[in-house]
Order: sequence, then structure tokens, then C-alpha cells
Amino acid sequence: ILNVEQSPQSLHVQEGDSTNFTCSFPSSNFYALHWYRWETAKSPEALFVMTLNGDEKKKGRISATLNTKEGYSYLYIKGSQPEDSATYLCASQGAQKLVFGQGTRLTINP
Amino acid sequence: DGGITQSPKYLFRKEGQNVTLSCEQNLNHDAMYWYRQDPGQGLRLIYYSQIVNDFQKGDIAEGYSVSREKKESFPLTVTSAQKNPTAFYLCASTLWAGGKQETQYFGPGTRLLVL
Repeated sequence: ILNVEQSPQSLHVQEGDSTNFTCSFPSSNFYALHWYRWETAKSPEALFVMTLNGDEKKKGRISATLNTKEGYSYLYIKGSQPEDSATYLCASQGAQKLVFGQGTRLTINP
Repeated sequence: DGGITQSPKYLFRKEGQNVTLSCEQNLNHDAMYWYRQDPGQGLRLIYYSQIVNDFQKGDIAEGYSVSREKKESFPLTVTSAQKNPTAFYLCASTLWAGGKQETQYFGPGTRLLVL
């Protein structure tokens, strides 16, 4: 079983501040790295799928980077808003399935 | 609207009882997955299926069974052999692109509680 770790487990950020968190994964047999946002009472929603070392993706105020050689990805949120409050999941893709980290629970304080 | 539906939203199980969680998708996706979430843990894969009439065990398959008789449907049965079934169960699907996996789409989940 691949071991995917996310840190921190939870995070409280003041509205308007920027923040980032980490996903680490085994760099061997790497196919892709997925990020999902999971809001309370909703289904997890895909943010990014990243495959190439050095890749950087952006969606509005949220961006992510990928380092496949050392096995980590960062998710950045610029100018946090209350609607960013959610659990952010990363998952490393193996041959046929995803292995998820435990998530980072982000709370934005107004 | 295309999407994944799961029912029921809440399910109560008595000791020794088998219960079945429903998952239906109208996205024409080939692959479907069942995950379990426990507090403080990530999503753990129970079973998955890439094509009709075929499925594979995930990381925590013991005490569970599945079937895939139709492309749209992938029901999960929690058997009496599953000694700690209380959890949140998520179903997902993906358009299986010949070995290159696409983004997974998730249903709203079913919370299973033991009476």
C-alpha cells in the first residue's frame, strides 16, 4: 500500500491571509497526483490532476505544484475566503487506483 | 443532470444483519469504486470495478461484497462478517481511459450506523 501523508491535519487561517499545505507520497511507480476539495455535506470535488515533475496548476486563487523526484505536492490558497473552508484531500495514483491521504481540514476565520 | 447517486443517506444495521448500499451513475463511466472513511483517516478503498461483471478487492475488502451486473450500478453489501461497519461510505466513478485514470467523481455518501 502506498503511504500518502498530508500536513497539517487541520489549519485555521484568518480571512484574507494566504496559506499552503503539503502532500507527500512515494516517488516510485508514480502515475499522477490528484487534489480534491471536500466541503461539509457535499461530495469531494476534483481540483487538479498533475503528472509531470515541476508541474504547476492554477484554478482561481488556488494553485498546486508537484515534485515527483522527492515525492511532494503543495497546495496554495491566496487571499483565503470563508468559502475555502473545506477538507483538502490529495491522492497518489497507482496502476489502477488512488491512495488518499488523511486530508487537511481548513477553517477560514472571518 | 449527470452524476452519481447513493442511497440511503443514513442506514442503520442491527447485529448480524447484512445491509446493501446503493450506488448509481449516469455518466457512462467504466470504472466504479467504493471507499470507507473513518474519523481522522483518509478514504480507504474497499472494492473497485473497471468493467461490467468484473471487480477487484481494494485494501479493506474483508466483510464486504459487491456486484457489477450493469455499467450504471455498483451496490456494496456490508455483511455480518464486518465487525466494525460504522463509517461513512463513498462511491466514485471514473471514465477509464485504457490504463490512464481520469478524475474520480464522487457521490454524496451513505453514513452507516450500528444499532
